[in-house]
Amino acid sequence: NAGVTQTPKFRVLKTGQSMTLLCAQDMNHEYMYWYRQDPGMGLRLIHYSVGEGTTAKGEVPDGYNVSRLKKQNFLLGLESAAPSQTSVYFCASSPGSVRAQYFGPGTRLLVL
Amino acid sequence: AQKITQTQPGMFVQEKEAVTLDCTYDTSDPSYGLFWYKQPSSGEMIFLIYQGSYDQQNATEGRYSLNFQKARKSANLVISASQLGDSAMYFCAMREGYRDDMRFGAGTRLTVKP
Repeated sequence: NAGVTQTPKFRVLKTGQSMTLLCAQDMNHEYMYWYRQDPGMGLRLIHYSVGEGTTAKGEVPDGYNVSRLKKQNFLLGLESAAPSQTSVYFCASSPGSVRAQYFGPGTRLLVL
Repeated sequence: AQKITQTQPGMFVQEKEAVTLDCTYDTSDPSYGLFWYKQPSSGEMIFLIYQGSYDQQNATEGRYSLNFQKARKSANLVISASQLGDSAMYFCAMREGYRDDMRFGAGTRLTVKP
């Protein structure tokens, strides 16, 4: 039982490049989330999904897009990376909106 | 406006002693949930404990307990008998009503001294 996994673990991008972060969970959870973590700011929600085929904006959605084509996967895309998107990205899943979230190991992204 | 406030950027505690990490929150919704997470230096986020706004008793999970004072809007985490492995960042988080998102505080870095 792997829980929540994230790919890749680390990536370096140049400004303007695009990339997709993959999150996968094997717990059959309905809810999935993407957060970014910056020093001194805790975690901020980027986008989330309450079920297959659904997505919604979080606190800091600009510059990101997401897709949830399969229940177990949640993709985060950066179409044109900017240095301000240098951060650690966490994916999480939850069985319901009032339940605890379970996090992946994180992806460290550096945009030069 | 800050929904979750953790006023202690860093805390030190002696091994085997108890420590309290502060968390205050702001909401007008009568139904909400409060969570604490631990983030060790390895980076993963680990769920520790949950308190619902309608729960009559303070939540406990092993050495972790939540000192929930509803009128003061505080949800402090108490760690008893601290261990070296408790050294980590600790985040308080809140989910309001039946919203699907959760807000996190800025975190408190706990260092346990031998």
